[in-house]
Amino acid sequence: NAGVMQNPRHLVRRRGQEARLRCSPMKGHSHVYWYRQLPEEGLKFMVYLQKENIIDESGMPKERFSAEFPKEGPSILRIQQVVRGDSAAYFCASSPPGSGTGYYEQYFGPGTRLTVT
Amino acid sequence: AQSVSQHNHHVILSEAASLELGCNYSYGGTVNLFWYVQYPGQHLQLLLKYFSGDPLVKGIKGFEAEFIKSKFSFNLRKPSVQWSDTAEYFCAVMGSSNTGKLIFGQGTTLQVKP
Repeated sequence: NAGVMQNPRHLVRRRGQEARLRCSPMKGHSHVYWYRQLPEEGLKFMVYLQKENIIDESGMPKERFSAEFPKEGPSILRIQQVVRGDSAAYFCASSPPGSGTGYYEQYFGPGTRLTVT
Repeated sequence: AQSVSQHNHHVILSEAASLELGCNYSYGGTVNLFWYVQYPGQHLQLLLKYFSGDPLVKGIKGFEAEFIKSKFSFNLRKPSVQWSDTAEYFCAVMGSSNTGKLIFGQGTTLQVKP
């Protein structure tokens, strides 16, 4: 059973460009979470999505960042007009259906390392 | 606001030494607690978790953690570390009313010398 897949693993963007990060959850999982890890810091929650729904986006910056998890295909984290401060590792995690009870674990992908030059 | 504090940022041990990594959290309600490990070049993996019941939790690779509710702590322990335990360790908390949101500590880098 393949784990959580993220691509690309490394992404370099110039200031002002757009970054698109993709996450394919584990087979059978319908809940996706995005976290960001800035240098020398722990992981910070960004957004929690189920298929076609954003459940909690309390950790998302108000501007330039958006996320989706369509009915078909991977979840996408989109960063418009990137700035140097967006340079970080972005991790995706997934969990199975029924996770809304809170008694579950999240399975993490390898992360995408975004560098903004 | 919820937060998780890991006291040790960088720990260096010799093989066979005992390990204890501290983790304290602040949250007023019921919590689920986790320890994740990230080996060099790999993704985060779950070491162990606490949801309810026995506060002493056994995980993979000989790790265990004890939930002490009165101290808001969930310290990770291993009686005898190996070189292969070299990794970064993250404590995380999920409040029962915050479904989906894991709050992570800043991580502890463990270096085990052979």
